Amino acid sequence: EAGVVQSPRYKIIEKKQPVAFWCNPISGHNTLYWYLQNLGQGPELLIRYENEEAVDDSQLPKDRFSAERLKGVDSTLKIQPAELGDSAVYLCASSLFPRDTQYFGPGTRLTVL
Amino acid sequence: QQQVKQSPQSLIVQKGGISIINCAYENTAFDYFPWYQQFPGKGPALLIAIRPDVSEKKEGRFTISFNKSAKQFSLHIMDSQPGDSATYFCAGRTGNQFYFGTGTSLTVIP
Repeated sequence: EAGVVQSPRYKIIEKKQPVAFWCNPISGHNTLYWYLQNLGQGPELLIRYENEEAVDDSQLPKDRFSAERLKGVDSTLKIQPAELGDSAVYLCASSLFPRDTQYFGPGTRLTVL
Repeated sequence: QQQVKQSPQSLIVQKGGISIINCAYENTAFDYFPWYQQFPGKGPALLIAIRPDVSEKKEGRFTISFNKSAKQFSLHIMDSQPGDSATYFCAGRTGNQFYFGTGTSLTVIP
């Protein structure tokens, strides 16, 4: 069974540029999460989807971040414009149901110069 | 506000030794406490988990000890191996939300 797939794995951009990350969850998983992981820190939730509905986006900086999960499968997280402080690893995770074990992807390491 | 506090930040253990990582929480609504293992360049992977009605759970060389009254829980890695070198995160779950500790970088010296 394929795990959670994320792309790109690495991204380097200039500040003020836009950037997008893509996530393909494990097949059949209803719930999808986007987490931010700063160096030396644990994952922090940005947004959680149940099917195609964003049910918890309270930690998503909505002035520059947006996300979508069309058709309740793949998801895209976008930052526009990127700031220096956005440099971090962006993790995607999925679970069969909201309270179930989360399976994480390898993450996208973003560097903003 | 850090919902789950984890210590130490880093840990160096000799091969064959016992690694102990501690976590503390305040939110009594937490009903599930997983531990994740993360290797460089990989996402966290579930290692072992416990519910608060159990005081200990063991899976192979990994044991969680849980003290509900103290609101503390710990991960013990017995007979630590170089392959256990990774970052370990504890977490607590309330509702549909998971809160992670800040992580412990474990290095097992051969």
